[in-house]
Amino acid sequence: DTGVSQDPRHKITKRGQNVTFRCDPISEHNRLYWYRQTLGQGPEFLTYFQNEAQLEKSRLLSDRFSAERPKGSFSTLEIQRTEQGDSAMYLCASSFRTDRETQYFGPGTRLLVL
Amino acid sequence: AQKITQTQPGMFVQEKEAVTLDCTYDTSDPSYGLFWYKQPSSGEMIFLIYQGSYDQQNATEGRYSLNFQKARKSANLVISASQLGDSAMYFCAMREGGKLIFGQGTELSVKP
Repeated sequence: DTGVSQDPRHKITKRGQNVTFRCDPISEHNRLYWYRQTLGQGPEFLTYFQNEAQLEKSRLLSDRFSAERPKGSFSTLEIQRTEQGDSAMYLCASSFRTDRETQYFGPGTRLLVL
Repeated sequence: AQKITQTQPGMFVQEKEAVTLDCTYDTSDPSYGLFWYKQPSSGEMIFLIYQGSYDQQNATEGRYSLNFQKARKSANLVISASQLGDSAMYFCAMREGGKLIFGQGTELSVKP
Protein backbone atom coordinates (compact mmCIF):
# COMPACT_ATOMS: atom_id res chain seq x y z
CA ASP A 1 0.00 0.00 0.00
CA THR A 2 1.82 3.11 -1.22
CA GLY A 3 1.23 6.42 0.48
CA VAL A 4 0.96 9.92 -0.93
CA SER A 5 3.99 10.89 -2.99
CA GLN A 6 5.21 14.33 -3.97
CA ASP A 7 7.77 15.46 -6.50
CA PRO A 8 10.17 17.16 -6.25
CA ARG A 9 11.06 16.97 -2.56
CA HIS A 10 13.13 20.14 -2.74
CA LYS A 11 13.12 23.05 -5.16
CA ILE A 12 15.34 26.13 -5.26
CA THR A 13 14.36 28.81 -7.73
CA LYS A 14 15.00 32.44 -8.45
CA ARG A 15 12.43 35.12 -7.89
CA GLY A 16 10.20 35.53 -10.93
CA GLN A 17 10.51 31.94 -12.17
CA ASN A 18 7.59 29.53 -12.45
CA VAL A 19 7.57 26.25 -10.53
CA THR A 20 5.31 23.21 -10.68
CA PHE A 21 4.83 20.53 -8.05
CA ARG A 22 3.21 17.14 -8.48
CA CYS A 23 1.22 15.05 -6.00
CA ASP A 24 0.15 11.43 -6.42
CA PRO A 25 -2.54 10.47 -3.88
CA ILE A 26 -3.29 7.09 -2.38
CA SER A 27 -4.91 5.22 -5.27
CA GLU A 28 -8.43 4.71 -3.94
CA HIS A 29 -8.73 8.23 -2.48
CA ASN A 30 -11.06 10.58 -4.31
CA ARG A 31 -10.18 13.77 -2.42
CA LEU A 32 -6.88 15.61 -2.75
CA TYR A 33 -5.73 18.64 -0.76
CA TRP A 34 -2.92 21.19 -0.93
CA TYR A 35 -1.56 23.00 2.14
CA ARG A 36 1.30 25.42 2.69
CA GLN A 37 3.41 25.46 5.84
CA THR A 38 5.86 28.19 6.78
CA LEU A 39 8.48 27.86 9.48
CA GLY A 40 7.04 27.60 12.97
CA GLN A 41 3.43 27.50 11.82
CA GLY A 42 0.79 24.86 11.28
CA PRO A 43 -0.21 23.98 7.72
CA GLU A 44 -2.62 26.37 5.99
CA PHE A 45 -5.22 25.14 3.54
CA LEU A 46 -4.85 26.18 -0.10
CA THR A 47 -7.32 24.13 -2.15
CA TYR A 48 -8.92 20.73 -2.54
CA PHE A 49 -10.41 18.49 -5.21
CA GLN A 50 -13.00 15.79 -5.26
CA ASN A 51 -12.12 13.68 -8.26
CA GLU A 52 -11.30 16.28 -10.94
CA ALA A 53 -13.52 19.06 -9.53
CA GLN A 54 -11.87 21.82 -7.52
CA LEU A 55 -14.33 22.32 -4.66
CA GLU A 56 -12.71 25.04 -2.58
CA LYS A 57 -9.90 27.58 -2.87
CA SER A 58 -8.44 29.60 -0.03
CA ARG A 59 -8.00 33.36 -0.26
CA LEU A 60 -4.31 32.51 0.25
CA LEU A 61 -4.31 31.15 -3.29
CA SER A 62 -3.50 34.28 -5.26
CA ASP A 63 -3.80 34.59 -9.03
CA ARG A 64 -0.23 33.37 -9.32
CA PHE A 65 -1.22 29.96 -7.97
CA SER A 66 -3.13 27.38 -9.96
CA ALA A 67 -3.92 23.77 -9.20
CA GLU A 68 -5.27 21.03 -11.42
CA ARG A 69 -6.32 17.43 -11.14
CA PRO A 70 -7.16 16.67 -14.75
CA LYS A 71 -8.13 13.00 -14.57
CA GLY A 72 -9.02 12.78 -10.91
CA SER A 73 -5.75 11.07 -10.08
CA PHE A 74 -2.53 13.08 -9.65
CA SER A 75 -2.55 16.84 -9.11
CA THR A 76 -0.19 19.69 -9.98
CA LEU A 77 0.30 22.98 -8.18
CA GLU A 78 1.91 25.75 -10.22
CA ILE A 79 3.26 29.01 -8.87
CA GLN A 80 3.94 31.69 -11.48
CA ARG A 81 6.36 34.59 -11.00
CA THR A 82 7.57 33.28 -7.65
CA GLU A 83 8.25 35.69 -4.81
CA GLN A 84 10.44 35.23 -1.75
CA GLY A 85 7.31 35.01 0.37
CA ASP A 86 6.37 31.82 -1.47
CA SER A 87 9.22 30.00 0.28
CA ALA A 88 7.53 27.30 2.32
CA MET A 89 6.77 23.59 2.55
CA TYR A 90 3.95 22.57 0.21
CA LEU A 91 2.07 19.58 1.54
CA CYS A 92 -0.34 17.37 -0.34
CA ALA A 93 -2.86 15.07 1.33
CA SER A 94 -5.56 12.69 0.19
CA SER A 95 -8.64 11.13 1.74
CA PHE A 96 -11.58 8.91 0.95
CA ARG A 97 -15.01 10.50 1.28
CA THR A 98 -16.34 9.04 4.56
CA ASP A 99 -17.55 10.48 7.84
CA ARG A 100 -14.02 10.65 9.17
CA GLU A 101 -12.26 11.79 6.01
CA THR A 102 -8.87 11.27 7.58
CA GLN A 103 -6.30 13.07 5.46
CA TYR A 104 -3.02 11.29 4.82
CA PHE A 105 -0.11 13.52 3.94
CA GLY A 106 2.82 13.18 1.59
CA PRO A 107 6.41 14.10 2.46
CA GLY A 108 6.04 17.65 1.12
CA THR A 109 7.94 19.81 -1.34
CA ARG A 110 10.23 22.34 0.25
CA LEU A 111 10.46 25.49 -1.90
CA LEU A 112 13.14 28.15 -1.51
CA VAL A 113 12.85 31.29 -3.60
CA LEU A 114 16.08 33.28 -3.81
CA ALA B 1 -10.21 34.45 15.98
CA GLN B 2 -8.19 31.26 16.31
CA LYS B 3 -10.29 28.19 15.74
CA ILE B 4 -7.66 25.81 17.09
CA THR B 5 -5.49 26.88 20.01
CA GLN B 6 -2.45 25.05 21.27
CA THR B 7 -1.07 27.01 24.20
CA GLN B 8 2.12 25.02 24.78
CA PRO B 9 4.84 25.97 22.29
CA GLY B 10 7.20 23.42 23.83
CA MET B 11 6.98 20.53 26.28
CA PHE B 12 9.53 18.24 27.92
CA VAL B 13 8.82 14.76 29.22
CA GLN B 14 10.97 12.06 30.72
CA GLU B 15 11.20 8.82 28.77
CA LYS B 16 8.54 6.27 29.86
CA GLU B 17 6.35 8.92 31.47
CA ALA B 18 2.98 10.15 30.19
CA VAL B 19 2.44 13.62 28.72
CA THR B 20 -0.64 15.66 27.84
CA LEU B 21 -0.68 18.11 24.94
CA ASP B 22 -3.45 20.69 25.11
CA CYS B 23 -5.84 21.69 22.36
CA THR B 24 -8.96 23.84 22.47
CA TYR B 25 -11.21 24.54 19.52
CA ASP B 26 -13.97 26.89 18.51
CA THR B 27 -16.90 25.97 16.30
CA SER B 28 -20.67 26.44 16.20
CA ASP B 29 -21.16 23.43 13.94
CA PRO B 30 -22.67 20.48 15.89
CA SER B 31 -20.88 18.00 13.61
CA TYR B 32 -17.10 18.18 13.46
CA GLY B 33 -14.00 16.05 13.58
CA LEU B 34 -10.82 16.57 15.52
CA PHE B 35 -7.43 15.15 14.56
CA TRP B 36 -3.92 14.98 15.93
CA TYR B 37 -0.88 14.74 13.69
CA LYS B 38 2.80 14.24 14.46
CA GLN B 39 5.45 16.00 12.38
CA PRO B 40 9.03 14.79 12.86
CA SER B 41 11.95 16.86 11.65
CA SER B 42 11.68 15.14 8.25
CA GLY B 43 8.51 17.16 7.66
CA GLU B 44 5.89 14.53 6.93
CA MET B 45 2.58 14.86 8.77
CA ILE B 46 1.67 11.53 10.40
CA PHE B 47 -1.95 10.90 11.40
CA LEU B 48 -2.27 9.78 15.02
CA ILE B 49 -5.88 9.82 16.21
CA TYR B 50 -9.39 11.03 15.37
CA GLN B 51 -12.36 12.09 17.51
CA GLY B 52 -15.79 12.75 16.09
CA SER B 53 -18.09 15.22 17.81
CA TYR B 54 -20.79 12.58 18.25
CA ASP B 55 -18.46 9.87 19.50
CA GLN B 56 -19.56 8.74 22.96
CA GLN B 57 -16.16 7.47 24.04
CA ASN B 58 -12.72 9.03 23.99
CA ALA B 59 -10.62 7.79 21.08
CA THR B 60 -7.61 5.57 21.70
CA GLU B 61 -4.91 4.33 19.33
CA GLY B 62 -2.18 2.32 21.03
CA ARG B 63 -0.21 4.70 23.27
CA TYR B 64 -2.28 7.67 22.12
CA SER B 65 -5.57 8.68 23.66
CA LEU B 66 -7.69 11.75 23.26
CA ASN B 67 -9.23 13.41 26.32
CA PHE B 68 -12.34 14.88 24.69
CA GLN B 69 -14.31 17.36 26.80
CA LYS B 70 -17.04 18.64 24.54
CA ALA B 71 -18.52 21.23 26.89
CA ARG B 72 -15.11 22.78 27.40
CA LYS B 73 -14.26 22.42 23.71
CA SER B 74 -11.00 20.71 24.46
CA ALA B 75 -9.36 17.72 22.79
CA ASN B 76 -6.12 17.02 24.60
CA LEU B 77 -3.73 14.33 23.36
CA VAL B 78 -2.31 11.97 25.96
CA ILE B 79 0.81 9.98 25.08
CA SER B 80 1.56 7.20 27.55
CA ALA B 81 4.99 5.65 28.13
CA SER B 82 6.87 8.27 26.10
CA GLN B 83 9.65 7.06 23.82
CA LEU B 84 12.62 8.97 22.40
CA GLY B 85 11.03 8.64 18.95
CA ASP B 86 8.05 10.66 20.14
CA SER B 87 10.16 13.83 19.99
CA ALA B 88 8.46 15.90 17.26
CA MET B 89 5.96 18.67 16.57
CA TYR B 90 2.36 17.78 17.33
CA PHE B 91 -0.56 19.49 15.64
CA CYS B 92 -4.20 19.52 16.58
CA ALA B 93 -6.62 20.07 13.70
CA MET B 94 -10.35 20.43 13.15
CA ARG B 95 -12.20 19.56 9.98
CA GLU B 96 -14.24 22.47 8.63
CA GLY B 97 -16.09 21.53 5.48
CA GLY B 98 -13.53 19.57 3.50
CA LYS B 99 -10.41 21.22 4.85
CA LEU B 100 -8.41 20.92 8.05
CA ILE B 101 -7.65 23.92 10.24
CA PHE B 102 -4.48 23.44 12.25
CA GLY B 103 -3.20 24.90 15.48
CA GLN B 104 0.27 26.36 15.94
CA GLY B 105 1.68 23.11 17.21
CA THR B 106 3.52 21.91 20.31
CA GLU B 107 7.13 20.77 20.15
CA LEU B 108 7.61 17.73 22.35
CA SER B 109 11.06 16.72 23.54
CA VAL B 110 11.51 13.36 25.25
CA LYS B 111 14.48 13.17 27.62
CA PRO B 112 16.36 9.89 28.17
